[in-house]
Amino acid sequence: AQKITQTQPGMFVQEKEAVTLDCTYDTSDPSYGLFWYKQPSSGEMIFLIYQGSYDQQNATEGRYSLNFQKARKSANLVISASQLGDSAMYFCAMREPRQAGTALIFGKGTTLSVSS
Amino acid sequence: NAGVTQTPKFQVLKTGQSMTLQCAQDMNHNSMYWYRQDPGMGLRLIYYSASEGTTDKGEVPNGYNVSRLNKREFSLRLESAAPSQTSVYFCASSDAGTGVNEQYFGPGTRLTVT
Repeated sequence: AQKITQTQPGMFVQEKEAVTLDCTYDTSDPSYGLFWYKQPSSGEMIFLIYQGSYDQQNATEGRYSLNFQKARKSANLVISASQLGDSAMYFCAMREPRQAGTALIFGKGTTLSVSS
Repeated sequence: NAGVTQTPKFQVLKTGQSMTLQCAQDMNHNSMYWYRQDPGMGLRLIYYSASEGTTDKGEVPNGYNVSRLNKREFSLRLESAAPSQTSVYFCASSDAGTGVNEQYFGPGTRLTVT
């Protein structure tokens, strides 16, 4: 079974609109961390936001917020006021401390296209 | 502060050739990782090193070996390259322990095996 599922291969949004990128995860470990990374067409991996499994509040970083629903095992990324520069591939990832040290398990990604 | 550096950026190999991908970080991180990225597959862990002197297999270790040369450097070796190893390879590093400790990635190596 996939540990991280991103069901949207591609998403399209207009500038200034908000967009939600979906991510569901599967773990039996009570302690885990969830990450979102951005990969522009240039190829580098850019860390966006983190949510710990024991965090009571949803994480926010500027225009990025994470809609964390623990019971549903979902960790959706919300980008408010989209910009052209947000066009990229977005990866959801999970860290399970008891598995493979502190390595990340990645989803297959969602391509976001922002148009003017 | 260069962060995580990888060499080379691009490489073309013939089937059966060997090569070593180099990775170095200057952030004094304990943990280092090698991932491969294939189209439609996301990133998959090849090997990781939780600390200097230790290495462990990840999800897709077959056909690869690694060396944690010191705290800064973590190399990935392909002994006999195969077309299935055509991929983009990323090295990453992070602090260990609880907390955010996000992984910092190098720019990647695009490898083609013909």
